[in-house]
Amino acid sequence: DIQMTQSPSSLSASVGDRVTITCRASQGISNSLAWYQQKPGKAPKLLLYATSRLESGVPSRFSGSDSGTDYTLTISSLQPEDFATYYCQQYYSNFRTFGQGTKVEIK
Amino acid sequence: QVQLVQSGAEVKKPGASVKVSCKASGYTFTRYFMHWVRQAPGQGLEWMGIITPNTRSTTYAQRFQGRVTMTSDTSTSTVYMELSSLRSEDTAVYYCAREGANTRAFDMWGQGTMVTVSS
Repeated sequence: DIQMTQSPSSLSASVGDRVTITCRASQGISNSLAWYQQKPGKAPKLLLYATSRLESGVPSRFSGSDSGTDYTLTISSLQPEDFATYYCQQYYSNFRTFGQGTKVEIK
Repeated sequence: QVQLVQSGAEVKKPGASVKVSCKASGYTFTRYFMHWVRQAPGQGLEWMGIITPNTRSTTYAQRFQGRVTMTSDTSTSTVYMELSSLRSEDTAVYYCAREGANTRAFDMWGQGTMVTVSS
């Protein structure tokens, strides 16, 4: 299976901060990478797919990029509603795998 | 509107089986793959497998092979996930998730079903 190593596992940030989360794939996945946001007690929500394409209705402060097998989610200006846990997921392989998650907490 | 509605919480004893349902509405059921993902308390997301609703073709994560069965009923637009030989480590929230036709990511999720395995 393709392993997705996500970092950091948690971070503390303030409203207005720029936040970056990274996922490293164990092999090439050809930009077949999605990001999800999950709030406590809720199902995950799709934010981006194909590395950098915003899902409909997702604010433009969320963006994605890649460099080789490293994929990055950036929140340009953190808002109160963005405090949540974020997961990456590869869908290059039929055997889908998620990163371990990054919890974004209020500083 | 487009939604996935799952069955209610379950409490099972070790060694038993559980069957969770996921009813789709608001879209053409047979045009989208459906996945199952679980999340143990305080843990991350774990992919379990995929079913093609019209052909009933399935692919399961290796760690669940032999214990999980995913089925579909096109007459009711419902998919099912049955997990057998339950153990305490199977205590988790189980989600169904639709794979987007163009995105291949999971664009719609059920509300989740809590399965508790306890003696």
